[in-house]
Amino acid sequence: DAGVTQSPTHLIKTRGQHVTLRCSPISGHKSVSWYQQVLGQGPQFIFQYYEKEERGRGNFPDRFSARQFPNYSSELNVNALLLGDSALYLCASSWDNVLGQYFGPGTRLTVT
Amino acid sequence: GQQVMQIPQYQHVQEGEDFTTYCNSSTTLSNIQWYKQRPGGHPVFLIQLVKSGEVKKQKRLTFQFGEAKKNSSLHITATQTTDVGTYFCAGRNAGGTSYGKLTFGQGTILTVHP
Repeated sequence: DAGVTQSPTHLIKTRGQHVTLRCSPISGHKSVSWYQQVLGQGPQFIFQYYEKEERGRGNFPDRFSARQFPNYSSELNVNALLLGDSALYLCASSWDNVLGQYFGPGTRLTVT
Repeated sequence: GQQVMQIPQYQHVQEGEDFTTYCNSSTTLSNIQWYKQRPGGHPVFLIQLVKSGEVKKQKRLTFQFGEAKKNSSLHITATQTTDVGTYFCAGRNAGGTSYGKLTFGQGTILTVHP
C-alpha cells in the first residue's frame, strides 16, 4: 500500500503570495492532520480533519486554512506569505482522530 | 496552553550504551505517542500509550507512561548506529475542545558513535 503522499516536494514563493499544499492519506485513513516543522524543533500542530470536519486547530493565524475532500485528501492553504512561514509542512493520516499518525515526506516551503 | 518538554535536547552515546529520553506535559494527557525522525526524513510512529502506568516494549525499546499521565519515557538498551535520529513524544490533552490537537515535544537528538 502507498504511504501518505504530499505535493509538491519543494516550493519557493515570494512574500505576500498564496500557496496550496496537497496531501493524499493512506487508503482507508479518514483523518488528516497538518503540521509545520521548523529546523531543530518538533512539528507544530496546525489542523486536524476527520470525516471532512475540522476536529482541531493549532495556534496559527487565519492566513492558514485547510479542508478535507470526500476522498479524504486534503489541502492546506496559506495566504499573504511571510518569511517566517518558511518550513517543512507535514501531513499525517490515521484511521481516526486518536490513533498514531503516519507522516508523509513533507513539502519544503521557502518564502523569499 | 499545553506544553510538552523533552530532556535532554542532545545525547551522544557509544554504541552499546543505553539511552533514555524523558517527556513532561504541563497538563494531563489522554494518551502519548512516540515518533522517530531520521535526519532529512519525516517522523515515523513508534507507539502509543494510553493507560496510567503503562509499559510497552518493542525489542530494545521500552516506553513508559506515568501514573499521573503527565510524563513518559523512552529507554533504548544497547544502542546501535541504526538508532540515530530525533525522538519525539507527542501528547493529546485529556478532554477539552481541542481533542484532535497533538502537541509535540522539541525532541531529543540521539547520536551513536561506533
